[in-house]
Amino acid sequence: DVKVTQSSRYLVKRTGEKVFLECVQDMDHENMFWYRQDPGLGLRLIYFSYDVKMKEKGDIPEGYSVSREKKERFSLILESASTNQTSMYLCASTRTVAYGYTFGSGTRLTVV
Amino acid sequence: TQLLEQSPQFLSIQEGENLTVYCNSSSVFSSLQWYRQEPGEGPVLLVTVVTGGEVKKLKRLTFQFGDARKDSSLHITAAQPGDTGLYLCAVLYNFNKFYFGSGTKLNVKP
Repeated sequence: DVKVTQSSRYLVKRTGEKVFLECVQDMDHENMFWYRQDPGLGLRLIYFSYDVKMKEKGDIPEGYSVSREKKERFSLILESASTNQTSMYLCASTRTVAYGYTFGSGTRLTVV
Repeated sequence: TQLLEQSPQFLSIQEGENLTVYCNSSSVFSSLQWYRQEPGEGPVLLVTVVTGGEVKKLKRLTFQFGDARKDSSLHITAAQPGDTGLYLCAVLYNFNKFYFGSGTKLNVKP
């Protein structure tokens, strides 16, 4: 069974901390994505990557950065966590975008 | 203005009832997908529709893409508690990413 694994299901961090969210896929997919999900707002795209060391800004990249050093791993970095970054973070991957995403189980991040 | 409008936002029904949820836009799309997300999990792809007027069935779920490729519906026959979840539609834009609606939260009571 294909898998996207997010390293933490729940995280609590303090304001100002640097936060790393890790995502690993075992499907040899080129494309990987980070979304955040908030009630009433749906899923909003933060960053995506279509190849190793490549990254593209999504719709809400401010306050975030990403790293893709290996094909299977896509990391989301909150440079200085703020309370408005409290959210559910979802990682997804796909070989071809038109075929749809495989999502991880999500990381629920709380910034206090 | 949201690219996609999903309705209703919330739906609570009894087991055995039928229901339809909608995904609407004023834009034309090359493809549209439906996902189901259970509490505490990531969304899972149910179906992709690409042709105007296309109808796809997945057991008790029937998906339709509008003739003009601007809207879609999901009909569930004889809903069961296992159908409970958040139903999301998503459309391909800029050729390389999907935009998601905010979803319909369905609760099926036993």
